[in-house]
Amino acid sequence: QKEVEQNSGPLSVPEGAIASLNCTYSDRGSQSFFWYRQYSGKSPELIMSIYSNGDKEDGRFTAQLNKASQYVSLLIRDSQPSDSATYLCAVNVADDYKLSFGAGTTVTVRA
Amino acid sequence: SAVISQKPSRDICQRGTSLTIQCQVDSQVTMMFWYRQQPGQSLTLIATANQGSEATYESGFVIDKFPISRPNLTFSTLTVSNMSPEDSSIYLCSVLGQGANYGYTFGSGTRLTVV
Repeated sequence: QKEVEQNSGPLSVPEGAIASLNCTYSDRGSQSFFWYRQYSGKSPELIMSIYSNGDKEDGRFTAQLNKASQYVSLLIRDSQPSDSATYLCAVNVADDYKLSFGAGTTVTVRA
Repeated sequence: SAVISQKPSRDICQRGTSLTIQCQVDSQVTMMFWYRQQPGQSLTLIATANQGSEATYESGFVIDKFPISRPNLTFSTLTVSNMSPEDSSIYLCSVLGQGANYGYTFGSGTRLTVV
């Protein structure tokens, strides 16, 4: 069983819409959760981190964490063509500094 | 966040040769990691680079193939040895910063093609 799973893509949304990305993880002791954005040919860039249950907002991005359901999500509001990228969910396994990554979800924002 | 300089950015190498990739950070960091990202795939952790001691390798990766050095808190190298076309990939250095620089940051990556 994979440690981190993301909803399969690609995800295509019209400009101005909300893009919703989902991620589940298997280790119930996981403590830290990250969303990275990766443009084609570039390295991953951290856009959100979340450590406690609930919502965390940063500009147009909202991360949601539910540890009981072992679920973390990312919402992108007012999607822009510049948001077109692959989004990677990463989880920090308890008692370990290593990150486990999901397979990524490719988002395309249609102008 | 910490700023990482990773070199080279890309290289084309002959099979059977070795390539050493360097990762230099602008501040002392707690942890340094090396990842591989094969075309169209996500990131796979190769190893954790430990300062002054042998790296900790993940399942499927061995020291003879991917020797790693970390002589201090800001520098590490990854060598891809005896390369084959299957080693063609992007190799990424990542660090976990400390204090005000806390967080996981990635270098710009090394795109390796083995011919």
